[in-house]
Amino acid sequence: EPEVTQTPSHQVTQMGQEVILRCVPISNHLYFYWYRQILGQKVEFLVSFYNNEISEKSEIFDDQFSVERPDGSNFTLKIRSTKLEDSAMYFCASSRDSDNEQFFGPGTRLTVL
Amino acid sequence: AQTVTQSQPEMSVQEAETVTLSCTYDTSESDYYLFWYKQPPSRQMILVIRQEAYKQQNATENRFSVNFQKAAKSFSLKISDSQLGDAAMYFCALRTSGSRLTFGEGTQLTVNP
Repeated sequence: EPEVTQTPSHQVTQMGQEVILRCVPISNHLYFYWYRQILGQKVEFLVSFYNNEISEKSEIFDDQFSVERPDGSNFTLKIRSTKLEDSAMYFCASSRDSDNEQFFGPGTRLTVL
Repeated sequence: AQTVTQSQPEMSVQEAETVTLSCTYDTSESDYYLFWYKQPPSRQMILVIRQEAYKQQNATENRFSVNFQKAAKSFSLKISDSQLGDAAMYFCALRTSGSRLTFGEGTQLTVNP
């Protein structure tokens, strides 16, 4: 069964460093998403992406964040200058269209020191 | 703005028994979807069941069913014949216009043998 994959499973970085989190969505899906979950808190929407552009973003998704689909298979989330409060689990998801089920990846745990 | 509230941080059930997880939500939109996701220790979120707001009939998926009370903005999940593999964090989620999911705080379900 096709699934969303994410790499790395755990990323440790120093405050101020740039990180790139990688996702491979399900191959015939057209909509891609990033969510994050700070430890002990709710899962929060960051951004959705369709047709090579951002279709929706939350107030969390400020200028420090960017997303890209650099090739036909990867979907990345970049954080330019990480802060301590960026430490969280980051989930990628994809769906066939905007009305269909979102399939989630296993997440990347980001730790900012 | 949309909100989703799960007032039960933890629930437990005996194997083979039935348990109900509560969820309330708020939205001003008339067209929306509700979901229950399961997040086992592996942390990959899996869709359990979905409900379209325009459908009066409660959704059912094998041992999982919902009690959707639109006027009360309530969307509870019933798990029948609970199994050890049902132990997980359960999230209620709402999607209105657009594609973002708004999640509740989660309910940690323990299944006792």
